[in-house]
Amino acid sequence: AQSVTQPDIHITVSEGASLELRCNYSYGATPYLFWYVQSPGQGLQLLLKYFSGDTLVQGIKGFEAEFKRSQSSFNLRKPSVHWSDAAEYFCAVVGNNYGQNFVFGPGTRLSVLP
Amino acid sequence: EADIYQTPRYLVIGTGKKITLECSQTMGHDKMYWYQQDPGMELHLIHYSYGVNSTEKGDLSSESTVSRIRTEHFPLTLESARPSHTSQYLCASVGPSSYGYTFGSGTRLTVV
Repeated sequence: AQSVTQPDIHITVSEGASLELRCNYSYGATPYLFWYVQSPGQGLQLLLKYFSGDTLVQGIKGFEAEFKRSQSSFNLRKPSVHWSDAAEYFCAVVGNNYGQNFVFGPGTRLSVLP
Repeated sequence: EADIYQTPRYLVIGTGKKITLECSQTMGHDKMYWYQQDPGMELHLIHYSYGVNSTEKGDLSSESTVSRIRTEHFPLTLESARPSHTSQYLCASVGPSSYGYTFGSGTRLTVV
């Protein structure tokens, strides 16, 4: 069965510091991969996605993620965190068959210190 | 801009009341979903639909019911609300060419 793990429940970084949020997945083939962000009390917003091709993908708000097939990982990075990045981040996978549902990770809460 | 709309945004209701949470999307997506999420917690899929007159239960058992009479509309109903139903409910949709769920802003339900 597909699964997504986000090993870090809560991460705290200082504003201006770099950030990496980890995501590992278990899937029989290479799935489509996504990162979503959720501000408090809001819905989820798509940050970026990977389907194929270049393993480093750029997203909105200065985020990027790198797909590493050998490690079954899709880690999210940002070189310099802003206070407004404080939110919950969810990694998600779905098979490349349109009939499949997404599988979400448990989320990582990011806190940003001034 | 949001192409998927949820109403109400916030709802406080008494125990035993019947409620319907609305979800509508203007993108023509055939697949729609309801997730339940407690504050700061993970998402739990409670219902989904692959098209008109198609509804399925998700991974998390829920006392709610859904219907899909029109493509754009996927309401969720609780016949008798209880305090244990207090949560945030998120609606999402996806179409064959959209690549990734689009989420609504959610309905935060409090049952007192």
